[in-house]
Amino acid sequence: DAGVIQSPRHEVTEMGQEVTLRCKPISGHDYLFWYRQTMMRGLELLIYFNNNVPIDDSGMPEDRFSAKMPNASFSNLKIQPSEPRDSAVYFCASSPLGLATETQYFGPGTRLLVL
Amino acid sequence: GENVEQHPSTLSVQEGDSAVIKCTYSDSASNYFPWYKQELGKRPQLIIDIRSNVGEKKDQRIAVTLNKTAKHFSLHITETQPEDSAVYFCAASKGGSYIPTFGRGTSLIVHP
Repeated sequence: DAGVIQSPRHEVTEMGQEVTLRCKPISGHDYLFWYRQTMMRGLELLIYFNNNVPIDDSGMPEDRFSAKMPNASFSNLKIQPSEPRDSAVYFCASSPLGLATETQYFGPGTRLLVL
Repeated sequence: GENVEQHPSTLSVQEGDSAVIKCTYSDSASNYFPWYKQELGKRPQLIIDIRSNVGEKKDQRIAVTLNKTAKHFSLHITETQPEDSAVYFCAASKGGSYIPTFGRGTSLIVHP
């Protein structure tokens, strides 16, 4: 298994542009998480899905952020419009929580810079 | 909800010394406590975890201890090596399908 896959790995954009981050979870994992990591706030949980259904999006900072999971193999996180304070590393993680293990498997992250 | 406090935020040690990172949690129902290691520019990865039915767990040079009464747990690294340099995150959850709450992280620096 290739693990959790994220794309792009790096994104540089200008303020006001739409940003789309993508994630492919590990096959068979029915939980998917989106995290944001910054020096100031550490690792923040933005939203998570169970069986493709959003369960808790209370961590999404504002309406500019949205996330979808149209099927078990794909999720995206969109920021529209982007702002410089959105600059961070965004991690996607998947897990078979409740089954054999509670381990979260993180993707390599997307390093976002908004100018 | 659960609140996890982690200390220190930065820890600097000499190679060969021991390092201890401490976390406290607020929800007495939490019973699963994983630790993740994140090397510079890499993803967080699970290194060890403990459940509330045991007080200590070891894996080679790393160990985790849990005090349920005081609601705190610690990561111990002995004989530290430069490759132990990383950010370490603790987390707490009720296990099963409950979502873990992460601490803020500790940056461990091991000087050769």
